[in-house]
Amino acid sequence: DGGITQSPKYLFRKEGQNVTLSCEQNLNHDAMYWYRQDPGQGLRLIYYSQIVNDFQKGDIAEGYSVSREKKESFPLTVTSAQKNPTAFYLCASKVVDRDNSPLHFGNGTRLTVT
Amino acid sequence: AQRVTQPEKLLSVFKGAPVELKCNYSYSGSPELFWYVQYSRQRLQLLLRHISRESIKGFTADLNKGETSFHLKKPFAQEEDSAMYYCALSGGTGFQKLVFGTGTRLLVSP
Repeated sequence: DGGITQSPKYLFRKEGQNVTLSCEQNLNHDAMYWYRQDPGQGLRLIYYSQIVNDFQKGDIAEGYSVSREKKESFPLTVTSAQKNPTAFYLCASKVVDRDNSPLHFGNGTRLTVT
Repeated sequence: AQRVTQPEKLLSVFKGAPVELKCNYSYSGSPELFWYVQYSRQRLQLLLRHISRESIKGFTADLNKGETSFHLKKPFAQEEDSAMYYCALSGGTGFQKLVFGTGTRLLVSP
């Protein structure tokens, strides 16, 4: 069954700790994205990656880091430098093509930092 | 810069009433516009895209470059249409980042 898997569904951390959110896809998509979803603010792009070993900052990259060592995986680390880390995080992937195919989303990870 | 504006946070209508969810965009080039929908307890998914010119679940959206709008319309709302709707913009073809609006929650009452 193809798709995008985000784990865990819920994550709790103490302030000052780094935490890594997992995103795996078996759709053979080249591009992967991380968005943050907050009430009233919609989806805001954190980082995106077009190919393995390459990624670019989105609109709100401060306090986050990513890696793209494998095509299937695009983990997001929320560092202690992120001032408001509590949020719902969405991972997505897509084919990179001339027709601008749509994004496929995971189910999300809700991170709570106290 | 790419920007998408959805002016309504909440749109509440009765079943059978027409629905229009507004979306305006700002982009200097030739945009690709999308509507994504998130039903309760489901993942965000594509509803429709302007280049397909299709009707999905009775919804349509026309790109109006003069007014820089991509409003989503349905003549007769159903209760199962209740969801969060996001308008999104991509700057042309190929690899481009997708920018989302803040979303509009549609609530259809019986």
